[in-house]
Amino acid sequence: SAVISQKPSRDICQRGTSLTIQCQVDSQVTMMFWYRQQPGQSLTLIATANQGSEATYESGFVIDKFPISRPNLTFSTLTVSNMSPEDSSIYLCSVDRSAGAFFGQGTRLTVV
Amino acid sequence: EDKVVQSPLSLVVHEGDTVTLNCSYEVTNFRSLLWYKQEKKAPTFLFMLTSSGIEKKSGRLSSILDKKELFSILNITATQTGDSAVYLCAVAHSGGSNYKLTFGKGTLLTVNP
Repeated sequence: SAVISQKPSRDICQRGTSLTIQCQVDSQVTMMFWYRQQPGQSLTLIATANQGSEATYESGFVIDKFPISRPNLTFSTLTVSNMSPEDSSIYLCSVDRSAGAFFGQGTRLTVV
Repeated sequence: EDKVVQSPLSLVVHEGDTVTLNCSYEVTNFRSLLWYKQEKKAPTFLFMLTSSGIEKKSGRLSSILDKKELFSILNITATQTGDSAVYLCAVAHSGGSNYKLTFGKGTLLTVNP
């Protein structure tokens, strides 16, 4: 398995502001993944973060809205920019191991 | 388009019942199929399946994959109220340099005492 520390656990933010979510892994990984889970929905991949290169975004997600940093092989951040109520979701980071894919504790974001 | 379909979407049972959750998929370059239990925020890893016909078992939970028919089942025997959760099926697949998980919508299991 993997130990993944994600913070904040939850936040309530004003529309128009930005929130940065952090994810720390207990060992080095090549790729880190960021997911969004909107209320009542399943998980959707936002982007894949590789160390030393720009993140790869999935269709419907853009760097200006969800900038990602990957300064080293154990850490990544996802920023949700210029938030609106539609961004209210659970955001999750994930890493892949040979035994499976594992998730951080998640960040529950509410935009008011 | 890659897709993962789970059924049923919800299920209500009584303690002690046995349940079977289904997951079918259509993806390019299949790598593995994973099952998760989600109670609050973070999905908890249950199983990863890569080979057909080999059952994985952990306590009262077991799972098997059929790569020919493109589906998997998750069985839970002697259910308990603590098994109440959303069970997610995800398929790991790749295309070119991209690797990703595609999730199904989940099955909401409610176990009543």
